[in-house]
Amino acid sequence: KNQVEQSPQSLIILEGKNCTLQCNYTVSPFSNLRWYKQDTGRGPVSLTIMTFSENTKSNGRYTATLDADTKQSSLHITASQLSDSASYICVVSDRGSTLGRLYFGRGTQLTVWP
Amino acid sequence: EADIYQTPRYLVIGTGKKITLECSQTMGHDKMYWYQQDPGMELHLIHYSYGVNSTEKGDLSSESTVSRIRTEHFPLTLESARPSHTSQYLCASSEETSGANVLTFGAGSRLTVL
Repeated sequence: KNQVEQSPQSLIILEGKNCTLQCNYTVSPFSNLRWYKQDTGRGPVSLTIMTFSENTKSNGRYTATLDADTKQSSLHITASQLSDSASYICVVSDRGSTLGRLYFGRGTQLTVWP
Repeated sequence: EADIYQTPRYLVIGTGKKITLECSQTMGHDKMYWYQQDPGMELHLIHYSYGVNSTEKGDLSSESTVSRIRTEHFPLTLESARPSHTSQYLCASSEETSGANVLTFGAGSRLTVL
């Protein structure tokens, strides 16, 4: 069964600290993996998208890694800010259909305290 | 800033009422989607469209219906709302970028049925 599992479910860190969020998937075949940030009461916003051949990609203080062999990805946030408080969602796309079906994780709820 | 708009952002109605959630995008995207999201849960695809006059049901069974008469407009309708329809509804559109189907989400419509 194609699934996307994220850990931890929730995380609280102090402002300025770093953190790493995990995503494990069983989706096959695999096309790409995306990380989205969803602020409370808003729609998800794309942070990064990684294909099979990419193992790291950065977007400012966000760095995503991908190990397609172990089917794991991580999102590392450096020097956290209060505005980083949000849900971070891992999404995996297969290549089995024209549209590339998307499999969503339940998200990691990150809270950054001052 | 995303060019996809959803209205209303919040709606509280009584059981049995008919409601329409509006979604419009100005990016000229052919593909549009409706997702349902409950707190702490993953997004579930309920409807999608490849283009004008094309609509398909998604993975999650839904009593709602959609229409796609114009490229930019993808409204969702519930003929008779029930408390079980209480949820957040997210509209999205997408384009192909480097072989990946990249979604842009609206801010969401939070529906509460009493």
